[in-house]
Amino acid sequence: TQLLEQSPQFLSIQEGENLTVYCNSSSVFSSLQWYRQEPGEGPVLLVTVVTGGEVKKLKRLTFQFGDARKDSSLHITAAQPGDTGLYLCAGGSNDYKLSFGAGTTVTVRA
Amino acid sequence: DTGVSQDPRHKITKRGQNVTFRCDPISEHNRLYWYRQTLGQGPEFLTYFQNEAQLEKSRLLSDRFSAERPKGSFSTLEIQRTEQGDSAMYLCASSYAVSPLHFGNGTRLTVT
Repeated sequence: TQLLEQSPQFLSIQEGENLTVYCNSSSVFSSLQWYRQEPGEGPVLLVTVVTGGEVKKLKRLTFQFGDARKDSSLHITAAQPGDTGLYLCAGGSNDYKLSFGAGTTVTVRA
Repeated sequence: DTGVSQDPRHKITKRGQNVTFRCDPISEHNRLYWYRQTLGQGPEFLTYFQNEAQLEKSRLLSDRFSAERPKGSFSTLEIQRTEQGDSAMYLCASSYAVSPLHFGNGTRLTVT
């Protein structure tokens, strides 16, 4: 059972379009992390957010942590084929265990 | 920083056989984690070591599974009497204290 629900499950867009993926939970997390995973590889950390309402930008990626620290979103502007991958959110409830969502598979078509 | 290394990358075994996977964490990292990921799912926590001490085991880790980190450096995960339901990607990650996790590229196990 995943504590974190991610939506949509799949997203296919054309290069240059924008996209948003969501991560929701009924639990409060002390921190929330976003990872990207490519086939046959392990997840790679993109960002960690810790403060309710926090917004972080990483080039064309914008991450937001909900005020109540239960939800988060990832927005990609002007998506490129290199953004293709599985985007995972993970919540930390203590200082060592992460609970992952099932992920959103993003495909950016050239 | 050579990253987290896992060996083997792929393992195909017959049901009932034992398998062992190895993880070499980033050298200065004192924490080591094992996760399991099945198709269409995110990674699920299996177990966690701080130095050589195994501090938590998930209920997912049946008595057929055992993990060790004997000298607080590399770790092994052994699965005895494998079942088809054990087929998955086994991911190792490491961190220093509460720093973010660095994942290896996993061992993909297929039980036939």
